[in-house]
Formats: sequence, structure tokens, C-alpha cells
Amino acid sequence: AQSVTQPDIHITVSEGASLELRCNYSYGATPYLFWYVQSPGQGLQLLLKYFSGDTLVQGIKGFEAEFKRSQSSFNLRKPSVHWSDAAEYFCAVGGGGADGLTFGKGTHLIIQP
Amino acid sequence: DGGITQSPKYLFRKEGQNVTLSCEQNLNHDAMYWYRQDPGQGLRLIYYSQIVNDFQKGDIAEGYSVSREKKESFPLTVTSAQKNPTAFYLCASTQGLMKAEAFFGQGTRLTVV
Repeated sequence: AQSVTQPDIHITVSEGASLELRCNYSYGATPYLFWYVQSPGQGLQLLLKYFSGDTLVQGIKGFEAEFKRSQSSFNLRKPSVHWSDAAEYFCAVGGGGADGLTFGKGTHLIIQP
Repeated sequence: DGGITQSPKYLFRKEGQNVTLSCEQNLNHDAMYWYRQDPGQGLRLIYYSQIVNDFQKGDIAEGYSVSREKKESFPLTVTSAQKNPTAFYLCASTQGLMKAEAFFGQGTRLTVV
């Protein structure tokens, strides 16, 4: 069965500092990987996705993520965070099948002034 | 603009009542999904539908029912058999299978009173 682990429940970062959110997945075949962001009381917005090809993918809002097959990881990064980046971040994995994505439990990002 | 509309945004249910959450999309997407979100639990799949008049159970389907009579609509009924229905419910759709970008509605917060 596929699974996603986001080891950090909460992360606090100072505004302007760099950010890395960790994601490890378990999947038996080539995974499709996603990062979503959620503001309080809102739906999820796609930040970026990896299907194949270049293992470093660029997303919206200045985010990027790197797929590392050997480590079963898909960590999200941003060079310099802004206060508006404070939100819940979800990593998700799927196989392209019809049964939807499997989500991690999320990482709550707090931005310090 | 195309998107997914969930209604109502807030819903209150008395013990023993059935309630129906609405999800409508005008993206012409084939597949639609219902997720349940609880604090610290990530998103869990309740039901999904690939085509009209067909749907499949997800990981936590007990106490829920759905219908897919029209391509653009995928309502979710929370029945009295669902013992702990208080949660945030998210509807999503994709053009095909989940390797494509999933679009999410803004969610419905259901509270049992």
C-alpha cells in the first residue's frame, strides 16, 4: 500500500529565511508526486507536481521540489519565505490510478517576523 | 471562471439526521472525489467516481453515500450511521486519473450539535 510521511508536524521559520519541508513516500512503482498548500478553512491549491523527467521541479510562489528515488523523498524548498507562506502543506502520492491520491498528515508552517 | 463549488460552507447536523453536501464542477472533468479532513490526520478518501452512474468506496466509506447522476455533480450524504461526522469535507476533481492536477473546492465544515 502506498503511504506518505511528513515527519514535521510544525515548522517555524523567520521571514526571509530558507525553507525545506520533508516528504517521504512508499510506493511500489513510479510515483506521481504532488505538493499542495492549504490556508485555514480553505481548499487545497497545487504548488507543484512530478510525473517524470527532470527531478527538480519548479512550482508557483517560488517553490521547488526535488525527487530523489534512492531516498524515496520529495522535499519542498523555498529560498526566502514570506509571511504569506504561513499555511498547511501537504505532500501526496499517486500511481495514476483511479483511486485518488494518498496524502501525508501535513506540515504546519509558521513564519516569525 | 471554471472551478469546483461546494455548498454550504458551514453545516450543522443534529444527532440521527442525514445531511447532504453539494459539489458541482464546471471543468468538464471526468473524475470526482470526496475527502475528509481532521486535524493532524491529513486527507482521507471517502468515495470517488470516474464516470457518471459509477462510484467506488475509498478508505473510510462507512456511514457515507454518494451519487453521480450528472458529470458535473457529486453530492455526498453523511448518514446517521457515521458516528463521528464532525470534520472538514473536501471535494476534488481531475480531468482523468489522479496523475493530472486535482482541483479542490473550498470545503464544507460539518458540525454535529
